[in-house]
Amino acid sequence: DQQVKQNSPSLSVQEGRISILNCDYTNSMFDYFLWYKKYPAEGPTFLISISSIKDKNEDGRFTVFLNKSAKHLSLHIVPSQPGDSAVYFCAAASSNDYKLSFGAGTTVTVRA
Amino acid sequence: GAVVSQHPSWVICKSGTSVKIECRSLDFQATTMFWYRQFPKQSLMLMATSNEGSKATYEQGVEKDKFLINHASLTLSTLTVTSAHPEDSSFYICSARGKTSGTYNEQFFGPGTRLTVL
Repeated sequence: DQQVKQNSPSLSVQEGRISILNCDYTNSMFDYFLWYKKYPAEGPTFLISISSIKDKNEDGRFTVFLNKSAKHLSLHIVPSQPGDSAVYFCAAASSNDYKLSFGAGTTVTVRA
Repeated sequence: GAVVSQHPSWVICKSGTSVKIECRSLDFQATTMFWYRQFPKQSLMLMATSNEGSKATYEQGVEKDKFLINHASLTLSTLTVTSAHPEDSSFYICSARGKTSGTYNEQFFGPGTRLTVL
């Protein structure tokens, strides 16, 4: 049972514009959320995280928004750059353990 | 950031053989290591959690006799795929959490191992 869902398998965006990636979760025990970036044949690298006590966290070009009532989070990348082209995974965990549940990923392509 | 390595990066083996994959934390002590599996165009699926010096905890549906995990030291965990079959072909990724890790973002991932069973 997929507890973390990324319903858009791909996203294409013009360089300089905003990329918006969405993620939904079903487990109400999740209280920590992370976004990872992954290139082919490499392991994921951490991008940004947010705990359930916040609704927004910003780090440079990356901002994550959390809507607990809707069990929804999103990642905004602005401005998008060609080097941002990768697969982005949303992950969630509960403070009961450190296990991460991942979404299926969204492939972002930034067009020059 | 902390570095986690995996060896080998690629492995091709015949059906019925066993394959061992190593996961090492290079510059920190990893009290907990996680093993994931990723099928093409799918998410990373947690297979098991391994704590140094104790038995691994397997996720539901993962055969512990099929996927042997050993976390013998604070810097090394191994995953052995026993009697591998073509359906075991996948991308296996490990991650490691350090001794003083307090937050989830301090889970560092290895580069992954591509296993192909013929």
